[in-house]
Amino acid sequence: KAGVTQTPRYLIKTRGQQVTLSCSPISGHRSVSWYQQTPGQGLQFLFEYFSETQRNKGNFPGRFSGRQFSNSRSEMNVSTLELGDSALYLCASSLGGGGPDTQYFGPGTRLTVL
Amino acid sequence: DAKTTQPPSMDCAEGRAANLPCNHSTISGNEYVYWYRQIHSQGPQYIIHGLKNNETNEMASLIITEDRKSSTLILPHATLRDTAVYYCIVRPANTGNQFYFGTGTSLTVIP
Repeated sequence: KAGVTQTPRYLIKTRGQQVTLSCSPISGHRSVSWYQQTPGQGLQFLFEYFSETQRNKGNFPGRFSGRQFSNSRSEMNVSTLELGDSALYLCASSLGGGGPDTQYFGPGTRLTVL
Repeated sequence: DAKTTQPPSMDCAEGRAANLPCNHSTISGNEYVYWYRQIHSQGPQYIIHGLKNNETNEMASLIITEDRKSSTLILPHATLRDTAVYYCIVRPANTGNQFYFGTGTSLTVIP
């Protein structure tokens, strides 16, 4: 099976712009979670989508939003970019059912805000 | 909120077993122990998980103490490619998919 894919892999934006990142989960996985990784804060959970609905949300401002499509692909949007949004954005997919639900991560999108 | 404590760094000689400890003294009965690793700037890679019994797969072994307050990840024959940050995470089975990553252990395999 193909793994989790994320596009683009690298992105450079300027302050005030907005950005959309894309994630394609492993075939058959219905849950997609997004994380932000920075040197100062480490890996932090943004939100999770399951069956096109946001199921969990971390402690991030409303500028960070996401959605999931019927084919389980997900997008994450960050509006009004700030310098502090520079980070590695990771997407992880899982089956999403009950019980232990192992997440598999993509390679990430490296966002640089100038 | 990370509920685990790991040493910040460890070294291991190539070919030897790497034993990475994790303390999770407040673990609840329904919480699983997961291990992931992250090679520089790549996405975290799933290694193994367990509830109370020891587990083994092609990558590693997970030893969980009887009181479940600590665990050890064992890489039986470490190679240079095992140099990475290793994260120990505890997570309930019946909650949403949010993994709380702590600071992990930076393992360096030395030739």
